Amino acid sequence: AQSVSQHNHHVILSEAASLELGCNYSYGGTVNLFWYVQYPGQHLQLLLKYFSGDPLVKGIKGFEAEFIKSKFSFNLRKPSVQWSDTAEYFCAVNARGGSYIPTFGRGTSLIVHP
Amino acid sequence: ETGVTQSPTHLIKTRGQQVTLRCSSQSGHNTVSWYQQALGQGPQFIFQYYREEENGRGNFPPRFSGLQFPNYSSELNVNALELDDSALYLCASSLSGTDNEQFFGPGTRLTVL
Repeated sequence: AQSVSQHNHHVILSEAASLELGCNYSYGGTVNLFWYVQYPGQHLQLLLKYFSGDPLVKGIKGFEAEFIKSKFSFNLRKPSVQWSDTAEYFCAVNARGGSYIPTFGRGTSLIVHP
Repeated sequence: ETGVTQSPTHLIKTRGQQVTLRCSSQSGHNTVSWYQQALGQGPQFIFQYYREEENGRGNFPPRFSGLQFPNYSSELNVNALELDDSALYLCASSLSGTDNEQFFGPGTRLTVL
């Protein structure tokens, strides 16, 4: 069975600081990887995704993530955060092929102080 | 374009009761997935429906069941409610295929007393 670990449950940063949120998954096969974001009072929405190709993927609002297969990691980064990035961030993985059973991490709460 | 809607927004039930939650998918989407999100946790996949058939199921007991209708809207039914069923229930719609982006609704907050 697949699993997802998000190591940072709560992160507090000041504006303009750099951000890196860790995500590791366990699954022996090929996976699709996702980062979702939930801004306060809003629906969960897709930030970026990786299926294949360039392991460095860019998403909305200046976010990017790098898939490192050897480390089973898909860390989310942003060079300079803004107050509006305050949100809950979820990493998710779905095994390719077979039944569709996506697995989410428990989430990281990011607070950015102005 | 109308997004994913869910009803009701909040619901309070007692142990042993049954509940039905509803979801209207985004226009043009034929696939609906349901998730349970406990407080402080990430969403847990319950099941997915594609063209009125279950297309994948997570680790939930049979008392969690679902339906998808010809217009692609969906229901989640939970029988014999337990206290641990208290959670936010999310619905997400997408086009068929695991490569397609899911669009989430606002969720239904279920409290079981």
